[in-house]
Amino acid sequence: KNQVEQSPQSLIILEGKNCTLQCNYTVSPFSNLRWYKQDTGRGPVSLTIMTFSENTKSNGRYTATLDADTKQSSLHITASQLSDSASYICVVSSQSGTYKYIFGTGTRLKVLA
Amino acid sequence: GAVVSQHPSRVICKSGTSVKIECRSLDFQATTMFWYRQFPKQSLMLMATSNEGSKATYEQGVEKDKFLINHASLTLSTLTVTSAHPEDSSFYICSARDMGLAIADTQYFGPGTRLTVL
Repeated sequence: KNQVEQSPQSLIILEGKNCTLQCNYTVSPFSNLRWYKQDTGRGPVSLTIMTFSENTKSNGRYTATLDADTKQSSLHITASQLSDSASYICVVSSQSGTYKYIFGTGTRLKVLA
Repeated sequence: GAVVSQHPSRVICKSGTSVKIECRSLDFQATTMFWYRQFPKQSLMLMATSNEGSKATYEQGVEKDKFLINHASLTLSTLTVTSAHPEDSSFYICSARDMGLAIADTQYFGPGTRLTVL
């Protein structure tokens, strides 16, 4: 069964600190993996996208990694800011059929001053 | 960048009434649009896939007669919640796929519509 699991479920950190979010997936055949940021009451906004051959991708203070062998990905946030408080969703796209997105359970991040 | 809009952003209605939500791709053509529902503290759940000019494909457990989807043009899809009940209260998000991109499955998400049924 195609699944995407994220950990931790929620996380609280102090402003300025770094954090790493995890994503494990069992999606086959694999097409690509995306990380989205979703602010409360808003739609998801894309942070990074990685295909099978990519190991790392950065977008400002966000750095995503992908290990296609172990089917794991991480999102590292550097020097966190209050505006980073949001849900972070890992999404895996399968090559089969209609390229549906398979959503992870999300990690709710709270950055405190 | 690609922009997807939704209207309204927030709607409150009485039980038994119908509500229409619009999803528009503003600067690209979208042959496929998706409708999602999200309950508090949960991830997005796909309700249906909407293809321009054809009938929508609904996910298992989603009532097609209750959630009417129309994708009449390459830039507009609508979701109508018919005979709404309080349990239909949720956050509805649409997305549009830009087939012109190299990564063909890229979806752009709208800002969402908060539906509250009293």
